[in-house]
Amino acid sequence: DAGVIQSPRHEVTEMGQEVTLRCKPISGHDYLFWYRQTMMRGLELLIYFNNNVPIDDSGMPEDRFSAKMPNASFSTLKIQPSEPRDSAVYFCASSSSSRINTIYFGEGSWLTVV
Amino acid sequence: AQSVTQLGSHVSVSEGALVLLRCNYSSSVPPYLFWYVQYPNQGLQLLLKYTSAATLVKGINGFEAEFKKSETSFHLTKPSAHMSDAAEYFCAVSGGYQKVTFGIGTKLQVIP
Repeated sequence: DAGVIQSPRHEVTEMGQEVTLRCKPISGHDYLFWYRQTMMRGLELLIYFNNNVPIDDSGMPEDRFSAKMPNASFSTLKIQPSEPRDSAVYFCASSSSSRINTIYFGEGSWLTVV
Repeated sequence: AQSVTQLGSHVSVSEGALVLLRCNYSSSVPPYLFWYVQYPNQGLQLLLKYTSAATLVKGINGFEAEFKKSETSFHLTKPSAHMSDAAEYFCAVSGGYQKVTFGIGTKLQVIP
């Protein structure tokens, strides 16, 4: 079975540019999570969806960040405009309500903003 | 609210020695507890989880963890370290919903 698929794996962009990260969750999973990992702050939950509906976006750092899930098989995390402090690894993860709290992670999108 | 504290951001052990990674949790409800492992340039992978069944939980690659309510701890152990165990390990907690809170991580170094 395919796991969580993220793209791009690596992105280098200039400050002020728009960045869009993409995620395809595992088929049949009804929860989708976006995490950010940095050396200083560790792994932070940014937002999560249930059945394509955002449930908790309290971890989104500021209005420059937005996330959408138009259907059960696709989600995006957008940063506009990007700043150097947004440089991090962004993980998408998914889980099923039939398997308590077992979260499956993608391999991450490594973002560098210069 | 739930949180975890991992004691020691870096742990070094000799190959063949006991691995002990410490985690203490805080939870306002009976917790679900997890250990995840992250190898370089990869996502996190579930090692084991506690969901209120047996207090001693066995996971993959010979790891196990014991839930101790009186100590609010969920330490990860492995009797004999292998070079391939070198990775970063994350303790995590959930209050029963799908939202999981992760610790800061502990990097395990295995010395030949």
